[in-house]
Amino acid sequence: DAGVTQSPTHLIKTRGQQVTLRCSPKSGHDTVSWYQQALGQGPQFIFQYYEEEERQRGNFPDRFSGHQFPNYSSELNVNALLLGDSALYLCASSLGNRGGGYTFGSGTRLTVV
Amino acid sequence: GQSLEQPSEVTAVEGAIVQINCTYQTSGFYGLSWYQQHDGGAPTFLSYNGLDGLEETGRFSSFLSRSDSYGYLLLQELQMKDSASYFCAVNNFNKFYFGSGTKLNVKP
Repeated sequence: DAGVTQSPTHLIKTRGQQVTLRCSPKSGHDTVSWYQQALGQGPQFIFQYYEEEERQRGNFPDRFSGHQFPNYSSELNVNALLLGDSALYLCASSLGNRGGGYTFGSGTRLTVV
Repeated sequence: GQSLEQPSEVTAVEGAIVQINCTYQTSGFYGLSWYQQHDGGAPTFLSYNGLDGLEETGRFSSFLSRSDSYGYLLLQELQMKDSASYFCAVNNFNKFYFGSGTKLNVKP
């Protein structure tokens, strides 16, 4: 039973470019959340998708957008990349609105140069 | 705003017991979760408290007092493999806020 799968694992982009990160949730899960984790810090909540809709959003600018597909997979898009967007981007999935017990993927390491 | 406070680093010896505290301030609250993250790895769910009291899962236990906005993670019979970062996380009406993490160093 595959867990949460994220692609790519590593990515280098130039400032001002756009990037798309992908996530396949754990089998049986229907809710996907995205997080940004800077080195030495805790994950910061970006947004959560359920039934193809953005259900909740953290304190991130509109440059960060997402999508959830009918098969529950999800994409995170970041436009006009800044150097400060360099971080580990984590995807977490769950079945419905669980209070805890989210399954995380291993993340995409994004470096903006 | 939201804030979570946990110690930045804790050191303990193999076989000992360690408690990692977490205090939080949040405008809304569904529950408190704990995650473990090894260097370079994904966060792994350990425990969740939606109600006051103690939850036990093997060597790990977690406690919550909503009136005190306080929780802790208790790790017993420490093993070398428990060396990792531990994060508390608040579910604020489906917005999730993580602390900065506590780095646990287990020594032989």
